[in-house]
Amino acid sequence: DGGITQSPKYLFRKEGQNVTLSCEQNLNHDAMYWYRQDPGQGLRLIYYSQIVNDFQKGDIAEGYSVSREKKESFPLTVTSAQKNPTAFYLCASSRQGLSPTYEQYFGPGTRLTVT
Amino acid sequence: SQKIEQNSEALNIQEGKTATLTCNYTNYSPAYLQWYRQDPGRGPVFLLLIRENEKEKRKERLKVTFDTTLKQSLFHITASQPADSATYLCALDGNGQNFVFGPGTRLSVLP
Repeated sequence: DGGITQSPKYLFRKEGQNVTLSCEQNLNHDAMYWYRQDPGQGLRLIYYSQIVNDFQKGDIAEGYSVSREKKESFPLTVTSAQKNPTAFYLCASSRQGLSPTYEQYFGPGTRLTVT
Repeated sequence: SQKIEQNSEALNIQEGKTATLTCNYTNYSPAYLQWYRQDPGRGPVFLLLIRENEKEKRKERLKVTFDTTLKQSLFHITASQPADSATYLCALDGNGQNFVFGPGTRLSVLP
């Protein structure tokens, strides 16, 4: 059963703590993405990776970090430097990066609440 | 500045009618535009892609148009059903880079 998994579905953290969100895909896709979604706003791109061991900042990368050591995995760390970390985080993948003809497959999302 | 707008934040229609959702963009020159469906608490699901040289694209009860002169895409659901109730997102290739998403329109189909 191919797809993208994100864990956990809900995550609670205290302010000042770093937290890592998991994203795994078994679609054999080259490209992976992290988005943040806030109420009333579109998805905003945090980081993306077109290939293993390479990634680029998106529009709102400050306060976040990623790694891409394996093709199927693209974890996102929300650091204490992120000023408003409470949000719904979505991971996605596509067959090829930076190609607008390929659809993106999204995971179920992780809702992070920082208090 | 660059902007993507989708008609109203929410749209209510009666079952059986045609729902029409609008995606307008400013200061982009997309070659492609995609539409996604998102259910509450879930990730978006791809529906359709339309290219700038295609006026219209259909898939079952769905129809998308793309007018680069008006800088607008219309998304139609014919014979709408309560199961079509969801948020619909448009996304366009932001000047050849990654896709940029609109804020979405929440559609409610009333029985």
